[in-house]
Amino acid sequence: AQSVTQLGSHVSVSEGALVLLRCNYSSSVPPYLFWYVQYPNQGLQLLLKYTSAATLVKGINGFEAEFKKSETSFHLTKPSAHMSDAAEYFCAVSDHGSSNTGKLIFGQGTTLQVKP
Amino acid sequence: DTGVSQDPRHKITKRGQNVTFRCDPISEHNRLYWYRQTLGQGPEFLTYFQNEAQLEKSRLLSDRFSAERPKGSFSTLEIQRTEQGDSAMYLCASSLMIYQPQHFGDGTRLSIL
Repeated sequence: AQSVTQLGSHVSVSEGALVLLRCNYSSSVPPYLFWYVQYPNQGLQLLLKYTSAATLVKGINGFEAEFKKSETSFHLTKPSAHMSDAAEYFCAVSDHGSSNTGKLIFGQGTTLQVKP
Repeated sequence: DTGVSQDPRHKITKRGQNVTFRCDPISEHNRLYWYRQTLGQGPEFLTYFQNEAQLEKSRLLSDRFSAERPKGSFSTLEIQRTEQGDSAMYLCASSLMIYQPQHFGDGTRLSIL
């Protein structure tokens, strides 16, 4: 069965500093991995996806993530934080193995705070 | 691409009442998912439709919950005899193929008085 663990429920950075949000996954099949962002009282917006192509994935708003099979990780980074990046971030793995529905299994989320 | 639309955005009801939510997916998407999100948690899967067929239901979906997707277009999620524990954000998502990202609506926030 697939699962996701996000290390750190809250991350605080200064504006302009590096953003690093950690995600580790468990999957019995080659994983499809996603990062989503959620602003208050809104749905989830896709930042980027990994579906077995390039291991370094570039997404929107300057975010990128690197798939490391040996470490079962898919950490999200951004070189320079902006105030507008403050939000909740979710890592997710797709269940396309046993049930083949493609349902997403989410981590518990990381709240990113950006200080001026 | 008009996005996934959910209605209503907010629903306040008394315990014991029935509520129904609607989701309109992106028009060409045949896969439709419902998730529930409680405060401070990631979304949890409730149920999945491929076209009009409901192919999987989570154990979270008790007998009080029912979902439909007539004609494979919009979907409804009904909760009967609501309980305090049903208070959550209910999110709908759709996708075209299994390896493609799911697009989410803005959700329906349910509050039980």
